[in-house]
Amino acid sequence: GENVEQHPSTLSVQEGDSAVIKCTYSDSASNYFPWYKQELGKGPQLIIDIRSNVGEKKDQRIAVTLNKTAKHFSLHITETQPEDSAVYFCAASIFGNQFYFGTGTSLTVIP
Amino acid sequence: DTAVSQTPKYLVTQMGNDKSIKCEQNLGHDTMYWYKQDSKKFLKIMFSYNNKELIINETVPNRFSPKSPDKAHLNLHINSLELGDSAVYFCASSPATRDTQYFGPGTRLTVL
Repeated sequence: GENVEQHPSTLSVQEGDSAVIKCTYSDSASNYFPWYKQELGKGPQLIIDIRSNVGEKKDQRIAVTLNKTAKHFSLHITETQPEDSAVYFCAASIFGNQFYFGTGTSLTVIP
Repeated sequence: DTAVSQTPKYLVTQMGNDKSIKCEQNLGHDTMYWYKQDSKKFLKIMFSYNNKELIINETVPNRFSPKSPDKAHLNLHINSLELGDSAVYFCASSPATRDTQYFGPGTRLTVL
């Protein structure tokens, strides 16, 4: 089955700096890659996703890049704000039939 | 306006008891899921139902039994609770098996 690895497990950045979280996957058939943000005491919420026919997608301060050859994808958050502090999860899926989650990255934005 | 709701939010119970967690989605989605999140935040899928039919059943003890009375509900019944069952359980739904998932707020289960 698919194996998704996520790094780093914890990340601290100064407010205004950028944050990058990286994930790798093992199954080349995976074609859908969502990113979730989980705030304390809440369920994961989708923040951005990318499909395998696209190399990059951007939504305001958040962007995701995908390298199918290397089987890795990354989340980029620019101009970080304290409210960006949360646990972020990447996931990989084959046509949405089964989702495999990374182990999560706890991001702390220091004011 | 709640999209995916779960009850209860917190559940504290003794070892050996039987308990249920309920999930409802008002998004009209066809597929619903149950996930377990352990103390290290690792999310692992347990079950997936599509239009009331089981499509994914990961390796979980048969003490866990999902029940889907209709496509808007997926309940999780747990028999003979054990200490290791303590975790946060998330329900999720998606419009089809080919799309992303929307998570509920979670149920924190503590087994004493």
